[in-house]
Amino acid sequence: GNSVTQMEGPVTLSEEAFLTINCTYTATGYPSLFWYVQYPGEGLQLLLKATKADDKGSNKGFEATYRKETTSFHLEKGSVQVSDSAVYFCALGASSGSARQLTFGSGTQLTVLP
Amino acid sequence: EAGVTQFPSHSVIEKGQTVTLRCDPISGHDNLYWYRRVMGKEIKFLLHFVKESKQDESGMPNNRFLAERTGGTYSTLKVQPAELEDSGVYFCASSQEPGSYEQYFGPGTRLTVT
Repeated sequence: GNSVTQMEGPVTLSEEAFLTINCTYTATGYPSLFWYVQYPGEGLQLLLKATKADDKGSNKGFEATYRKETTSFHLEKGSVQVSDSAVYFCALGASSGSARQLTFGSGTQLTVLP
Repeated sequence: EAGVTQFPSHSVIEKGQTVTLRCDPISGHDNLYWYRRVMGKEIKFLLHFVKESKQDESGMPNNRFLAERTGGTYSTLKVQPAELEDSGVYFCASSQEPGSYEQYFGPGTRLTVT
């Protein structure tokens, strides 16, 4: 079946540090890949996505590249801010008949200190 | 435009009691999903409605869980009787496009069974 393995947290960084959160996946076919973010007290928000190999998703300074050869979709940001503190979830969407469910990783808690 | 709303935000019940969670999707979204995150682990799919019909309920853990979406608008998820392992955060999501993985999530309901 489909699965997502995500870098375990928590991760604590200083402001302006470089961020990488690793994500690898197992899926049949050609899944779409996503990063969702959950800020304190809020629901999950779609951060970025990529729908085919070598696509790069980007938003708010975050980037992730769909690497089919390594089945990875690592999240990166060059300079984190305190406001980036949140839980980050890697997810894949792989259709099975009419199903449109998402498969998530376990989440990575990021804390950015001033 | 209002987002996905969930009620209640928190619920604490005793083992053996019944709890009903409610989700109001974004207006006009035919697709409604339930997910849950147990003990800080990955978010897992429970089921998918298209309008009032259950499209996929493969993630429902057992027959103590009953989801309904009468009239194709809001949805309820009832747990009866609740067990300790049902504790977690229950997320609802909705989407407009039938084949879309871009789902809009609510803030979740945190359920604690004691």
